[in-house]
Amino acid sequence: EPEVTQTPSHQVTQMGQEVILRCVPISNHLYFYWYRQILGQKVEFLVSFYNNEISEKSEIFDDQFSVERPDGSNFTLKIRSTKLEDSAMYFCASSEIFWGPEAFFGQGTRLTVV
Amino acid sequence: AQSVSQHNHHVILSEAASLELGCNYSYGGTVNLFWYVQYPGQHLQLLLKYFSGDPLVKGIKGFEAEFIKSKFSFNLRKPSVQWSDTAEYFCAVNAKGTSYGKLTFGQGTILTVHP
Repeated sequence: EPEVTQTPSHQVTQMGQEVILRCVPISNHLYFYWYRQILGQKVEFLVSFYNNEISEKSEIFDDQFSVERPDGSNFTLKIRSTKLEDSAMYFCASSEIFWGPEAFFGQGTRLTVV
Repeated sequence: AQSVSQHNHHVILSEAASLELGCNYSYGGTVNLFWYVQYPGQHLQLLLKYFSGDPLVKGIKGFEAEFIKSKFSFNLRKPSVQWSDTAEYFCAVNAKGTSYGKLTFGQGTILTVHP
């Protein structure tokens, strides 16, 4: 069964450093998303991406965040200068259609900012 | 903006007990509704979804959910739980026609099933 894969599974970084979280969506999917879950809180939408551009972003997704599809398979989330409050589980997801999407999620990357 | 509320943070049951997890959403328009499950150490998996039609939807592993539009609810049910159902369950909503697949999640319900 096709699946969304994320690397690394756990990343520890120092405050102020840049991190790149990587995702390989399901190959025939066209819509890509990043979500995050701070420990003990809800899963929150960050950004959606279609046709090589951002479709929608939340207020969390400020100038410190960026997304990119550098090639035909990867989808990345970059945090330019990490803060302690960026510590969370980050989930990548992809879907085939967006009117009534069924999103398939990766296993998550746990980001710890120290 | 839409919001989702799950009533129970942690539910503890014995095997063979019946399960009902509450989910209410707030949104003035038409929605797509989902239940996701996350087993320990694994990714979020889709249990079931409602887009339109019969408001009683059946999903994998014997789960079902009923969409009651007048109550803005989409409760998850299973008549007889198993130990392997121990997991965290998330209700999610997508607002039709306005957002590009964006899901709004509830806070999750941890289900613990004792053998």
